[in-house]
Amino acid sequence: QSVLTQSPSASGTPGQRVPISCSGGSSNIGSNPVNWYQHFPGTSPKLLIYNNSQRPSGVPDRFSGSKSGTSASLAISGLQSEDEADYYCATWDDSLNSLVFGGGTKLTVL
Amino acid sequence: EAQLVESGGSLTQPGGSLRLSCVASGFTFNTQGMNWVRQAPGKGLEWISYISGSSNYIYYADSVKGRFTISRDNARNSLYLQMHSLRADDTAVYYCARARGSSVKVMWFDPWGQGTLVTVSS
Repeated sequence: QSVLTQSPSASGTPGQRVPISCSGGSSNIGSNPVNWYQHFPGTSPKLLIYNNSQRPSGVPDRFSGSKSGTSASLAISGLQSEDEADYYCATWDDSLNSLVFGGGTKLTVL
Repeated sequence: EAQLVESGGSLTQPGGSLRLSCVASGFTFNTQGMNWVRQAPGKGLEWISYISGSSNYIYYADSVKGRFTISRDNARNSLYLQMHSLRADDTAVYYCARARGSSVKVMWFDPWGQGTLVTVSS
């Protein structure tokens, strides 16, 4: 059971906006910034969002991140077929003294 | 361009030991913290361990504490994970990843290596 809770799956049609949520607690999301990773099975995970809402160079502005209280969200707008992947949130947990990942959300483009 | 290449994964028996390596290039290795992250078959990502650039700060996940040891050789631009008392549930693809950010509390991982497969089975 992950410390950070993500819905196991999400879906949308091309062009749609899809939100992916990540819920935690006061010792993790409530205290530290959240990062998001995109992972295509069989490849290396890729940084998508860091410090809650910052995009690394090369990441399209269709991807955006936000945080409020003990929850964070990744939003993908203008959904494309190549966005079909697994998405993970992650942050440091002050109580566990560990970095924790969410369980991951598998995004399907219908 | 920063790059990481892992090696050392293989099939090993329960109770056995294995050492993974990760060679870095394209950045000043001794100034960057490094991590190991794994993904078991059909499961999500799991952070394993962190080591600071000077090896002064080291953290482990509870699931590996006492069995795994992270280390680095800055002269060789290399990161290691020594694994002992391996169990079936340690079977996973192991990734090394560079830590960015000012401290572990704010760190993010970029880039990641391609991963190396560790299989623990009799």
